[in-house]
Amino acid sequence: GENVEQHPSTLSVQEGDSAVIKCTYSDSASNYFPWYKQELGKGPQLIIDIRSNVGEKKDQRIAVTLNKTAKHFSLHITETQPEDSAVYFCAGRTDSWGKLQFGAGTQVVVTP
Amino acid sequence: SAVISQKPSRDICQRGTSLTIQCQVDSQVTMMFWYRQQPGQSLTLIATANQGSEATYESGFVIDKFPISRPNLTFSTLTVSNMSPEDSSIYLCSSGDRGYTEAFFGQGTRLTVV
Repeated sequence: GENVEQHPSTLSVQEGDSAVIKCTYSDSASNYFPWYKQELGKGPQLIIDIRSNVGEKKDQRIAVTLNKTAKHFSLHITETQPEDSAVYFCAGRTDSWGKLQFGAGTQVVVTP
Repeated sequence: SAVISQKPSRDICQRGTSLTIQCQVDSQVTMMFWYRQQPGQSLTLIATANQGSEATYESGFVIDKFPISRPNLTFSTLTVSNMSPEDSSIYLCSSGDRGYTEAFFGQGTRLTVV
């Protein structure tokens, strides 16, 4: 089955700097890669996703890149703000219906 | 985007008892998924629920412990049976459909077993 690894486990950045989180996956059949943000006491919130036929996607301050050959994808957050502090999860999907395999998560702390 | 509501949002339960968690989606979806998130950990899939058929469980999860119902295309329940403190977790449901549809999550049910 699919295995998703995520690094780093914690990331501390100064407000205004960029943050990058990297994930690798094992199943070359994986075709969809969402990123979720989870704030304390809340469920995961989908913030951006990318499909296997696309190399990069951007939405304001966040972007995701996908390298299918190397089987890795990354989340980029630019101009970080304190409200970006949260746990971020990457995930990969291999089936047609939405079953996801999650990475271990990255605790992002943005310091003013 | 689908809106998913879970009830209860949190509960404290005695060991040996059972708790049923409800998940309501604001639109019809083919699949509903139940995940467990242990404290400080990632999400682990418990089972997939398709309306009209028995749920499919992932390795390490069994129907006797986590019975699931899926009576229609907008609703599902997960029961955590004969609870022990090790069942203390956040339980989350999400929805899915064929194709590149996004998987949205409810806010989760925070369960503490004492």
